[in-house]
Amino acid sequence: GAVVSQHPSWVICKSGTSVKIECRSLDFQATTMFWYRQFPKQSLMLMATSNEGSKATYEQGVEKDKFLINHASLTLSTLTVTSAHPEDSSFYICSARTGAGYQETQYFGPGTRLLVL
Amino acid sequence: GQSLEQPSEVTAVEGAIVQINCTYQTSGFYGLSWYQQHDGGAPTFLSYNALDGLEETGRFSSFLSRSDSYGYLLLQELQMKDSASYFCAVRAMDSSYKLIFGSGTRLLVRP
Repeated sequence: GAVVSQHPSWVICKSGTSVKIECRSLDFQATTMFWYRQFPKQSLMLMATSNEGSKATYEQGVEKDKFLINHASLTLSTLTVTSAHPEDSSFYICSARTGAGYQETQYFGPGTRLLVL
Repeated sequence: GQSLEQPSEVTAVEGAIVQINCTYQTSGFYGLSWYQQHDGGAPTFLSYNALDGLEETGRFSSFLSRSDSYGYLLLQELQMKDSASYFCAVRAMDSSYKLIFGSGTRLLVRP
């Protein structure tokens, strides 16, 4: 089956630093990747939709200058949390889309847990 | 907008059958999906209903009724490892392909 990886799986950083998270589709090309954030005991909240070669589309309330998304190739998207603060501590999950129409499926990465001190 | 409601928690005993409901309000969608998520892990895909009716995959079945804006996930022969959170999700019918997740149901399976 399709595999999506994320790196790093865990990151602890000081407040004010920037953190980059990578999302890779290992055995398929993903035209679209999605970035989610999940706080403890809550649902997944979509942050942005990332399309290869174009600017990401951010959901309402998500600061595009704080959460920089780059989708330079069909197998790699990166999320950079700039000037991280403790309230950015969360579980960040990416997914990659494959297929089309009713056969379209999203595969999720294992997630990255971010702790900002 | 789109919203999906699920019960927050369900408890059942090992070997039993449990049904997790999902009611939604959406202007249109391609289908209803179900995902399982264990604590600390990422969501894993369980099932997908593009059309009304029942889809069966081993111990798990999923049902969709578009006329009732309702679906459910049925788990049979519950095992301890089924303790997890379960999310229903719809895929937007626009060109974004984004998934909108329900609030999630925490299932606790007791011995």
